[in-house]
Amino acid sequence: DQQVKQNSPSLSVQEGRISILNCDYTNSMFDYFLWYKKYPAEGPTFLISISSIKDKNEDGRFTVFLNKSAKHLSLHIVPSQPGDSAVYFCAARASGTYKYIFGTGTRLKVLA
Amino acid sequence: DTAVSQTPKYLVTQMGNDKSIKCEQNLGHDTMYWYKQDSKKFLKIMFSYNNKELIINETVPNRFSPKSPDKAHLNLHINSLELGDSAVYFCASSHGDRLSGANVLTFGAGSRLTVL
Repeated sequence: DQQVKQNSPSLSVQEGRISILNCDYTNSMFDYFLWYKKYPAEGPTFLISISSIKDKNEDGRFTVFLNKSAKHLSLHIVPSQPGDSAVYFCAARASGTYKYIFGTGTRLKVLA
Repeated sequence: DTAVSQTPKYLVTQMGNDKSIKCEQNLGHDTMYWYKQDSKKFLKIMFSYNNKELIINETVPNRFSPKSPDKAHLNLHINSLELGDSAVYFCASSHGDRLSGANVLTFGAGSRLTVL
């Protein structure tokens, strides 16, 4: 039972445009969410986080939106750059635990 | 200076062998993890230690045994390797109160295990 899902395995976007990566979850106890970027042969690197008490968090070109009623979060990258081409994972954690559940990842390709 | 380092980066071995992967972090974190990324690219948690105490132990075969000699190290030993153990194993660490939002994972570069 996959509690965190990223239904789009891949996404292609033109350089300079907006990239929107989506993530859905099923567990209403999740209260903290992370986004990671992963290049081939490297470990995932942390991008941005959001707590369930917020609905938006912004860091430079990256913005994460959280819709708790829909159990949905999204990562917006504006403007997209070729260096953003990577696999993006969302992860969720239930309150009071150390256990992060990861989604299956979305491969983003930014076309120059 | 690598924050979370794993060795070896690549490991090729025969079925039935026993092997270990080592992980060290120099971030001063108090919690360490092992995640497995299988052929379908799922990142699944296996184990976690907090201050050398096992706090997460997912449904993993007994052939997998983690060992944390101190807060900065978490090793993974695998007995009687099977073909299905082929995967990339990621070590991670974190620091912060699990009741707050400070608990962000820092990952190592991964160890690719191939069982022939």
